[in-house]
Amino acid sequence: EVHLVESGGGLVQPGGSLRLSCSASGFTFSSYTMHWVRQAPGKGLEYVSGIPSNGGSAYYADFVKGRFTISRDNSKNTLYLQVSSVRPEDTAVYYCVKGRLVPGANVLEYWGQGTLVTVSS
Amino acid sequence: EIVMTQSPATLSVSPGERVTLSCRASQSVTSNLAWYQQKPGQAPRLLMYGASTRATGIPARFSGSGSGTEFTLTISSLQSDDFAVYYCQQYYNWPFTFGQGTRLEIK
Repeated sequence: EVHLVESGGGLVQPGGSLRLSCSASGFTFSSYTMHWVRQAPGKGLEYVSGIPSNGGSAYYADFVKGRFTISRDNSKNTLYLQVSSVRPEDTAVYYCVKGRLVPGANVLEYWGQGTLVTVSS
Repeated sequence: EIVMTQSPATLSVSPGERVTLSCRASQSVTSNLAWYQQKPGQAPRLLMYGASTRATGIPARFSGSGSGTEFTLTISSLQSDDFAVYYCQQYYNWPFTFGQGTRLEIK
């Protein structure tokens, strides 16, 4: 059974940083594209970033480009999102999501329960 | 950026009814369209991908159709467990984008 467990969320001041982690189990982590999707309180879903199985060229939404960095450690079955220069509008639940195998790598197949990031002074 | 528009925003229906949700893309996404269900306090769940392929474990009462710019998700006979928010998402072109969601409410 696929398990994705996010951690690292919390309260951070504007301009501050956090590192979100996602521990994966139940599948061959190194074979799948992984993603981060966020949801502001009471709002819809917003795609943040994705990284291919080999850790190659990642992609970012414009609103996080240059501020967030996605990475993965396939030896530890762990996905990361370094969140920097945060703004109040970055307040959201951040979900770690497993893609399907290619060609459906960008289909968001399994979701973790999310970790809440609150940006406030 | 491809804009995804869902309609209606809210739908009030009774259990047992058939319901159709719509999703429109601002430009063609061919069949690269997925649907997700989200219940309060829970993470979203993949229902459909490739516009019409049910994800693992999704009941047959859910069906999807469409290609290009117009898509529908149909639930043939609503169960109490189906009252939730439904999102469509295109994964044809970066940045991948979601619709704003359709909320299914009990009438």
